[in-house]
Amino acid sequence: KQEVTQIPAALSVPEGENLVLNCSFTDSAIYNLQWFRQDPGKGLTSLLLIQSSQREQTSGRLNASLDKSSGRSTLYIAASQPGDSATYLCAVISYNTDKLIFGTGTRLQVFP
Amino acid sequence: DGGITQSPKYLFRKEGQNVTLSCEQNLNHDAMYWYRQDPGQGLRLIYYSQIVNDFQKGDIAEGYSVSREKKESFPLTVTSAQKNPTAFYLCASSAAGGWETQYFGPGTRLLVL
Repeated sequence: KQEVTQIPAALSVPEGENLVLNCSFTDSAIYNLQWFRQDPGKGLTSLLLIQSSQREQTSGRLNASLDKSSGRSTLYIAASQPGDSATYLCAVISYNTDKLIFGTGTRLQVFP
Repeated sequence: DGGITQSPKYLFRKEGQNVTLSCEQNLNHDAMYWYRQDPGQGLRLIYYSQIVNDFQKGDIAEGYSVSREKKESFPLTVTSAQKNPTAFYLCASSAAGGWETQYFGPGTRLLVL
């Protein structure tokens, strides 16, 4: 059974820092991995989707990498801003299912 | 203005009562999903539908029911059989199956009186 873990559970950094959020999954037979952002009391916003054949995806200050063999993905946020404060969730789809399996998220706070 | 709408934003349920959460999308997506989010547990799949008039149970379907009579609508009913319904409910849709990017609505928070 696929399990997704995100470390750390919470992170607080000063504005301007570069930071890395980690996601690990137990079954490497995945179709893709997605990163989402969730603001308090709101729905999820898709940030990046990495297909299993890809190693990374970039969008603005965000860069997500995927190492399928080791069951790991990282989300790199460059030059963090207070507006980046939110919970970041990763989710995977395994080949034997068409359902997203979510991690529990990393709650990020960027202070001025 | 394309997107997914959920209503109401807050919903109160009395004991023994069935309540229905609305989810509508105008993205012309085939697939739609319902998730439940509890603090510290991430999102769990309740039901999903890949095509009109067809739906499948997710991981925590007990106490819930759905219908998919129209492509753009996927209402979720929380029945009296669901003994712990207090949670944040999220609806999502994708162009095809779950391997496509999923787009989420703003959520409905259900509270029990």
